Amino acid sequence: SQTIHQWPATLVQPVGSPLSLECTVEGTSNPNLYWYRQAAGRGLQLLFYSVGIGQISSEVPQNLSASRPQDRQFILSSKKLLLSDSGFYLCASEQNSGGASNEQFFGPGTRLTVL
Amino acid sequence: AQTVTQSQPEMSVQEAETVTLSCTYDTSESDYYLFWYKQPPSRQMILVIRQEAYKQQNATENRFSVNFQKAAKSFSLKISDSQLGDAAMYFCAYRRRYDMRFGAGTRLTVKP
Repeated sequence: SQTIHQWPATLVQPVGSPLSLECTVEGTSNPNLYWYRQAAGRGLQLLFYSVGIGQISSEVPQNLSASRPQDRQFILSSKKLLLSDSGFYLCASEQNSGGASNEQFFGPGTRLTVL
Repeated sequence: AQTVTQSQPEMSVQEAETVTLSCTYDTSESDYYLFWYKQPPSRQMILVIRQEAYKQQNATENRFSVNFQKAAKSFSLKISDSQLGDAAMYFCAYRRRYDMRFGAGTRLTVKP
């Protein structure tokens, strides 16, 4: 099975500061990768997904961006954080075959607090 | 837009008993997948069970089973012989292609 690493585990940042969250994957090649955000007491919201290096699709317009510089590396960024960016960010990976029935494997998450 | 509704914010069950978590969804599509994920206090999301919409047979994984009613757009999760380790947030999810939509979750407490 796949192992997903995320760092940092927790982050406290001031409003207006930049952001970089990293996700790396072990145990698979050419995976589909996903960034989700979970607000307090809510379900997960899909932010971005990627089906290959340099290929990023955004699901919601927002203050964030994503990049995939390597096959098993997925980065979530912001130039200027907003208070509303606070939340729990989860990276997920799945095999690129099998379609929508695939199990997504999730990382341990990053808790971001913007003050 | 596809939405997923979990109408029970919290549920409680006695150890060894059975509990059912509800989920409804809204879609105009006929080809999609449904999932139940579990999020224990560690916050690690874990797949519990999945159902393909074109299959009428309800999915089963050991103590976990679903009641899939496609016409009613209902997808409930039944946990039999509840164990203390089942205590977690449970999320229902609808997926089509790359887009997975989650409900707000149900917090399950298991009483010893």
